[in-house]
Amino acid sequence: NAGVTQTPKFRVLKTGQSMTLLCAQDMNHEYMYWYRQDPGMGLRLIHYSVGEGTTAKGEVPDGYNVSRLKKQNFLLGLESAAPSQTSVYFCASSGIRNEQFFGPGTRLTVL
Amino acid sequence: AQSVTQPDIHITVSEGASLELRCNYSYGATPYLFWYVQSPGQGLQLLLKYFSGDTLVQGIKGFEAEFKRSQSSFNLRKPSVHWSDAAEYFCAVGAGATNKLIFGTGTLLAVQP
Repeated sequence: NAGVTQTPKFRVLKTGQSMTLLCAQDMNHEYMYWYRQDPGMGLRLIHYSVGEGTTAKGEVPDGYNVSRLKKQNFLLGLESAAPSQTSVYFCASSGIRNEQFFGPGTRLTVL
Repeated sequence: AQSVTQPDIHITVSEGASLELRCNYSYGATPYLFWYVQSPGQGLQLLLKYFSGDTLVQGIKGFEAEFKRSQSSFNLRKPSVHWSDAAEYFCAVGAGATNKLIFGTGTLLAVQP
């Protein structure tokens, strides 16, 4: 099993450009999450999903959109990237009891 | 509101010395508690978890943690640190039916030879 995978691993955008980050899990988990990690701030939840076709806002949702069209995939979109969105993005999935499994991360730089 | 506090931003220990990383949480009900480790440039790996029962839990890589309800703490310990333990450590509390986690801001561990 690959666990949780993220595509791409690195990306550089210019301000105003758009992009989509893809997260895939092969553990048949119901719950999926997108976090951003910034120095000194730990991980902050952007959006999450409790099942196929559902999404909900987390702590820092502004500027991001998500979709969960298939149970195994969770997409994070930036419609108009801003320098404040420079960060490392992690996807995670969870089956039971809050235990979350994390992907390797995507390092995004917005110039 | 739920929260997690890791009061130590950065800790340096000598190889072979013991280690204790502190974690305090705020949660209204019985918490699910976790410690994750992140090596540079990597994702987060689960070290150990507490759901219920024995308050001393064992994890991978020789780590253990003790849940103390009276102190709202879940401190991580290791009797003898190895150079490969240098990483950032995150404490987290499980929040509600959606399986969301609330993370602390992390403790960066450096290991001196």
